[in-house]
Amino acid sequence: QLVLTQSPSASASLGASVKLTCTLTSGPSTYTIAWHQQQPEKGPRYLMKLNNDGSHTKGDGIPDRFSGSSSGAERYLTISSLQSEDEADYYCQTWGPGLVVFGGGTKLTVL
Amino acid sequence: DVQLVESGGDLVKPGGSLRLSCAASGFTFSSYTMNWVRQVPGKGLEWVSSISGSSTFIYYADSVKGRFTISRDNAKNSLYLQMNSLRAEDTAVYYCTSPHYSDSSGYYSGHWGQGTLVTVSS
Repeated sequence: QLVLTQSPSASASLGASVKLTCTLTSGPSTYTIAWHQQQPEKGPRYLMKLNNDGSHTKGDGIPDRFSGSSSGAERYLTISSLQSEDEADYYCQTWGPGLVVFGGGTKLTVL
Repeated sequence: DVQLVESGGDLVKPGGSLRLSCAASGFTFSSYTMNWVRQVPGKGLEWVSSISGSSTFIYYADSVKGRFTISRDNAKNSLYLQMNSLRAEDTAVYYCTSPHYSDSSGYYSGHWGQGTLVTVSS
């Protein structure tokens, strides 16, 4: 069974950086994940695919301000130089034999 | 450019049926796994079902197993979700997703459609 855990909320100031965490609380810590952003009243948008070694490949048009990293069972999404449009819900996703799971999402507020 | 366009969402009574479609373009459809993901308004994302490129491997979430059927027609570049015995808790926006065109490995959602709303209510 795969379980991804995310903090329900996070906040940071305009222009600052924030690091969101997705933890593989059940399942192998070597799993690759994907990060998605969902702005208010919009559909989800793929940000990147993040491997357990921290390497990642981003979706089309994703700014350099978005980056990913990994440590053990934790996967991170770092957003630097926060802008107002970064205020959104962020979801992580992983997959395994016969199963795909999403984390519960983190609501990011830009102050 | 990759495009995924869902259709078929509607208002249906509990116990009823509905068929969702997803028209794909901009990539070699038959080479990619495809997924259905849903989202209850105001809630998080929930995986529904996945199908491999040749339809060899098909997976369902426990919440829909035995009621929903995923299928694809590679000649028509189309993905389908047949939903039977619908319940109020199936009310959600349903998204069609695929891996990113540059990386077909894995059942992740590298591209998203705009979604189609299914409402189950009497």
